[in-house]
Amino acid sequence: QVQLVQSGTEVKRPGAAVKVSCKASGFTFTRYGISWVRQAPGQGLEWMGWINIKKGNTNYAQKFQDRVTVTADTSTSTAYMELGSLRSDDTAVYYCVRDFAYVVDVWGQGTTVTVSS
Amino acid sequence: QTVVTQEPSLTVSPGGTVTLTCASSTGAVTSGFHPNWFQQKPGQAPRALIYSATNKHSWTPARFSGSLLGGKAALTLSGVQPEDEADYYCLLYYGGAWVFGGGTKLTVL
Repeated sequence: QVQLVQSGTEVKRPGAAVKVSCKASGFTFTRYGISWVRQAPGQGLEWMGWINIKKGNTNYAQKFQDRVTVTADTSTSTAYMELGSLRSDDTAVYYCVRDFAYVVDVWGQGTTVTVSS
Repeated sequence: QTVVTQEPSLTVSPGGTVTLTCASSTGAVTSGFHPNWFQQKPGQAPRALIYSATNKHSWTPARFSGSLLGGKAALTLSGVQPEDEADYYCLLYYGGAWVFGGGTKLTVL
């Protein structure tokens, strides 16, 4: 079946970076894009950025422009989101979601990232 | 700073009908914003319901429908079930970037 499986829980110190992976299966990875979305505890959803898997081009939310990098490895059907210069308010669940032709449909299970000294 | 606004909370009786809306700070929401709607229950990842304002996914229950209404995107639930109690989020496209609404907490009571 179509699914996105994300990497496990991360605990990071302030100032560090985190890299979350998202492995796709059940569909042709290169025909789609992947967006990254986060949700702080008790808060709403926040879009962070997107990658066109085939072309490799990216778009980022202005808020994260200088700290986030989204990449993809077509050989393993895996997308990655790296967020640097972590702060305590980056503590959140991070989701990958399939996103192409304005259809945002299949979500990963989420990865909890905790930033604490 | 673009803001997408949803009702913070709504209450509906079982079997009733409720409409959730999604407004843009830039003006009227049109099909060009490609509205998507999602349902999220506590402790779960969001689940997609609607794309391109009106289109349902294969798994979307028939009681959910999307529309453009009075300059906003709208999600209507007809014949609400207790299991529809959840948070609902809209998502709008702004030329290369998506912006989520703040979410609506729907209570079925």
